[in-house]
Amino acid sequence: AQSVTQPDIHITVSEGASLELRCNYSYGATPYLFWYVQSPGQGLQLLLKYFSGDTLVQGIKGFEAEFKRSQSSFNLRKPSVHWSDAAEYFCAVGPRGGATNKLIFGTGTLLAVQP
Amino acid sequence: GAVVSQHPSWVICKSGTSVKIECRSLDFQATTMFWYRQFPKQSLMLMATSNEGSKATYEQGVEKDKFLINHASLTLSTLTVTSAHPEDSSFYICSASGGLPGELFFGEGSRLTVL
Repeated sequence: AQSVTQPDIHITVSEGASLELRCNYSYGATPYLFWYVQSPGQGLQLLLKYFSGDTLVQGIKGFEAEFKRSQSSFNLRKPSVHWSDAAEYFCAVGPRGGATNKLIFGTGTLLAVQP
Repeated sequence: GAVVSQHPSWVICKSGTSVKIECRSLDFQATTMFWYRQFPKQSLMLMATSNEGSKATYEQGVEKDKFLINHASLTLSTLTVTSAHPEDSSFYICSASGGLPGELFFGEGSRLTVL
């Protein structure tokens, strides 16, 4: 079955520290991969996406993610976290071709940032 | 980026009544809109795919007579929860697609509480 796993429900990091949010997927073939961020009371905002090519993808707000086919992973990273990064982060996958925007979401990781 | 607006942001209703939630793409024409349901600490679950001018496609297990979706124009889709019951209480989110892969824009969500 197709699924997305975000093993960490909640993560707390100190401001300025590095961050890595994990995402693993189960899919018939390599899907399109996405990371979204949701702040309280707001909609989901796309951070970055991977379709093909370079497996290290740069996104907005200083985030990057690396696609590792052998591990079926697409982990999100940021070298130095800012207090404004506190939010919920969702990894998502979508099929190549066809209903590309019909996404499957992970359960989300809630990030708290300590001063 | 593109803006998608949902209304109302929150609504409280009595059991047995119907509630309509609107999803509008404010500055682009959305060929497809998606409706999701999000339970606390859970993932976004796709309920249905809505294409302008045609019937919505519902995911397995979603009652189409309970959750009526209308996509009358390229900028508006509505979700009507009919004869709402307390178990329908949830956070409902819409997204609108501009047509390109990964080009999904999310509304702020609507929190429904059924008493």
